[in-house]
Amino acid sequence: AQSVTQLGSHVSVSEGALVLLRCNYSSSVPPYLFWYVQYPNQGLQLLLKYTTGATLVKGINGFEAEFKKSETSFHLTKPSAHMSDAAEYFCAVTGSGSARQLTFGSGTQLTVLP
Amino acid sequence: DTAVSQTPKYLVTQMGNDKSIKCEQNLGHDTMYWYKQDSKKFLKIMFSYNNKELIINETVPNRFSPKSPDKAHLNLHINSLELGDSAVYFCASRPGGPQETQYFGPGTRLLVL
Repeated sequence: AQSVTQLGSHVSVSEGALVLLRCNYSSSVPPYLFWYVQYPNQGLQLLLKYTTGATLVKGINGFEAEFKKSETSFHLTKPSAHMSDAAEYFCAVTGSGSARQLTFGSGTQLTVLP
Repeated sequence: DTAVSQTPKYLVTQMGNDKSIKCEQNLGHDTMYWYKQDSKKFLKIMFSYNNKELIINETVPNRFSPKSPDKAHLNLHINSLELGDSAVYFCASRPGGPQETQYFGPGTRLLVL
């Protein structure tokens, strides 16, 4: 079975500061890992994903994440926060069955302060 | 063109009623899902269909019944609605084969009074 832990349900950063959202996973098989963003009253939008290959993954809106197998982590970073980055962020891992359903972390609410 | 669409977007109803939520994807994907997001924003898989065949049925009350009339549609019918059913329901789809990205609809916000 797979599981995801997101440390910090709320993170606040100043505009222009580094964004770091933490995600640790547990998986009995090689994981496929995702970060999704949810803006208020909207659906989920894929930011980036790791499947195989390069462990540093670049996504949309200047976000990137690094897959570290030894630490079972997939932390999301952005060098400089923008007000428009304020949203809920979800880390997720796929299941090993044919359905490949997503198992989500509990989410991190990012607040960007002016 | 909307890739994954859901109707209605908002649904307010009384306890005990029966309601349906519709989902359509125009991406040609093989697999479709229903997820539930509760009031604390926690997301959990409910059902998954592949080419109209049910492949995942998580521990969900049998008042919830998915139906897939064709590969592009996955509807969710809920009988005898309860207060605890209030949530946001997301439909998603994914291509078959090695692709793993799921594409989500905008969600249906259900409020049971």
